[in-house]
Amino acid sequence: AQKITQTQPGMFVQEKEAVTLDCTYDTSDPSYGLFWYKQPSSGEMIFLIYQGSYDQQNATEGRYSLNFQKARKSANLVISASQLGDSAMYFCAMRVDNAGNMLTFGGGTRLMVKP
Amino acid sequence: NAGVTQTPKFQVLKTGQSMTLQCAQDMNHEYMSWYRQDPGMGLRLIHYSVGAGITDQGEVPNGYNVSRSTTEDFPLRLLSAAPSQTSVYFCASSFDGFGYTFGSGTRLTVV
Repeated sequence: AQKITQTQPGMFVQEKEAVTLDCTYDTSDPSYGLFWYKQPSSGEMIFLIYQGSYDQQNATEGRYSLNFQKARKSANLVISASQLGDSAMYFCAMRVDNAGNMLTFGGGTRLMVKP
Repeated sequence: NAGVTQTPKFQVLKTGQSMTLQCAQDMNHEYMSWYRQDPGMGLRLIHYSVGAGITDQGEVPNGYNVSRSTTEDFPLRLLSAAPSQTSVYFCASSFDGFGYTFGSGTRLTVV
């Protein structure tokens, strides 16, 4: 079975600083994908970034980058130059290719950006 | 292009009542799924479908039924609502499993 662990229930970051949100995963399948989603207080799920298990380089999308360490089974999200609008819940999720292509989510990290 | 549409957005049910949460997508996605999100937690998979006529159980299927008679629609049925089913329900669809589009959610309260 697949499992995603996010060990930081809540974090504070000063505006304009960088922050790393931790995510570790567990799967025995060699082919999988890792996702990060943002959920603001309005409740919608916003896709941020994706990393495939065979991708050679770490994914980047604007201010978001994914620090993918395959041997450690970690996929940490790095947000550079935090903005007040980054305050939200952040979820790490995994898709395993031999498990119906559905997502398994971690418990989330609440990020609060201080002005 | 509406994406994934969930109705209703809010619902209050009495214990024992049944209802259907609707989910429709207009992107011709084969993969569709239902998740529930309890307060302060991540999403958990209830049921999913990899194409019309094919459904399977996820992590928390008890008390829910699904069917997939068309590519576009994937309704979730609560058979006999219980307070433990109070949650926010999300429907999601995907073309290939590499990108998922989520609906805006249905907030369900069972009293």
